[in-house]
Amino acid sequence: QQQVKQSPQSLIVQKGGISIINCAYENTAFDYFPWYQQFPGKGPALLIAIRPDVSEKKEGRFTISFNKSAKQFSLHIMDSQPGDSATYFCAALMDSNYQLIWGAGTKLIIKP
Amino acid sequence: KAGVTQTPRYLIKTRGQQVTLSCSPISGHRSVSWYQQTPGQGLQFLFEYFSETQRNKGNFPGRFSGRQFSNSRSEMNVSTLELGDSALYLCASSVSGSSYEQYFGPGTRLTVT
Repeated sequence: QQQVKQSPQSLIVQKGGISIINCAYENTAFDYFPWYQQFPGKGPALLIAIRPDVSEKKEGRFTISFNKSAKQFSLHIMDSQPGDSATYFCAALMDSNYQLIWGAGTKLIIKP
Repeated sequence: KAGVTQTPRYLIKTRGQQVTLSCSPISGHRSVSWYQQTPGQGLQFLFEYFSETQRNKGNFPGRFSGRQFSNSRSEMNVSTLELGDSALYLCASSVSGSSYEQYFGPGTRLTVT
């Protein structure tokens, strides 16, 4: 029940295309869902986050779509660029225990 | 504002030794969390400190311990190192309270031989 399942494990997208990464969770007590971007040799960087009372959040080319009934959320990267090539992690957190539960990560490669 | 800093960045230790890693959070941040990242297990939560108190702990053996000082700086200690402890150890800080927005340091790469 504590798991966050992330897919796909890896993704190759052409420059200018849309990259979509999906996550699913079981525990309805999660109340914060961030996405992190990690480049090789660096720590994860917070990209965008959403609370379950919102169905969509957009920041620039990055959008989170949230489906509370299906217990799923996804990251959409519009007009994907080679600089977006990185590993992306979804996560979930419960306010009660301050612990981020992480997805397994998606290695995204944007082909020029 | 300076980001989260971790020292050392790289460390090589021998099985059975112990190691101490350090984390300095962003100025004004009072919560520090530690994570272990490995290719096989992904990111695993170790523990979280807020105002010098451990608020939560992940499922790691007692060999892994931590503490937080009054200036919010935190240290993590691993005793009796095992080969499986080789990993990237990440520290993240957040302002306070719910730790919703966590900001990560670059990590300490620990190799146990």
